[in-house]
Amino acid sequence: ETGVTQSPTHLIKTRGQQVTLRCSSQSGHNTVSWYQQALGQGPQFIFQYYREEENGRGNFPPRFSGLQFPNYSSELNVNALELDDSALYLCASSPPRGQLGYTFGSGTRLTVV
Amino acid sequence: QQPVQSPQAVILREGEDAVINCSSSKALYSVHWYRQKHGEAPVFLMILLKGGEQKGHEKISASFNEKKQQSSLYLTASQLSYSGTYFCHNSGGSNYKLTFGKGTLLTVNP
Repeated sequence: ETGVTQSPTHLIKTRGQQVTLRCSSQSGHNTVSWYQQALGQGPQFIFQYYREEENGRGNFPPRFSGLQFPNYSSELNVNALELDDSALYLCASSPPRGQLGYTFGSGTRLTVV
Repeated sequence: QQPVQSPQAVILREGEDAVINCSSSKALYSVHWYRQKHGEAPVFLMILLKGGEQKGHEKISASFNEKKQQSSLYLTASQLSYSGTYFCHNSGGSNYKLTFGKGTLLTVNP
């Protein structure tokens, strides 16, 4: 079975720009969660998608938005990038409600300059 | 509410045991444990469900005390490969607001 794949692996953007990060979920998983991980910190929950609908959101502003597609892949969009958005963005997929744990992708390292 | 992990860091010699604790001020419905090595993605270790039994994975096991809203991860006879940052992660029921603790850095030396 294929795992979770994220693209791109690294990205450099300028403050004020917009960025789209992509995630392909593991085969058989229909739930996708996005996390932001700053250096030396635990992952912070951004939101979760289940069957193409947002199913929970953390304390992130509306400029963080997402989509889930019929094949359960997902996108994370961030508008009006700020320097503090620099972080590792992790995508995790799971069966419904995460009963068997989450499988993480290797992440996208976003640097905002 | 972010679960609180303790200790923040621990250094072991190969073969020694360790316990990592995770507590929450809010009711826990399930607790996940993950290990993340430097520069890599978190890897799922195990899940403990409310009302469930203690889980085990080789020499790594965990318990879940619903009344105390705590979970503990037990690593016995540690190996070099156990080094990494351990996170507990709770899900708060129907809203699925998922929160990681700040992590416990475990270093196993030869």
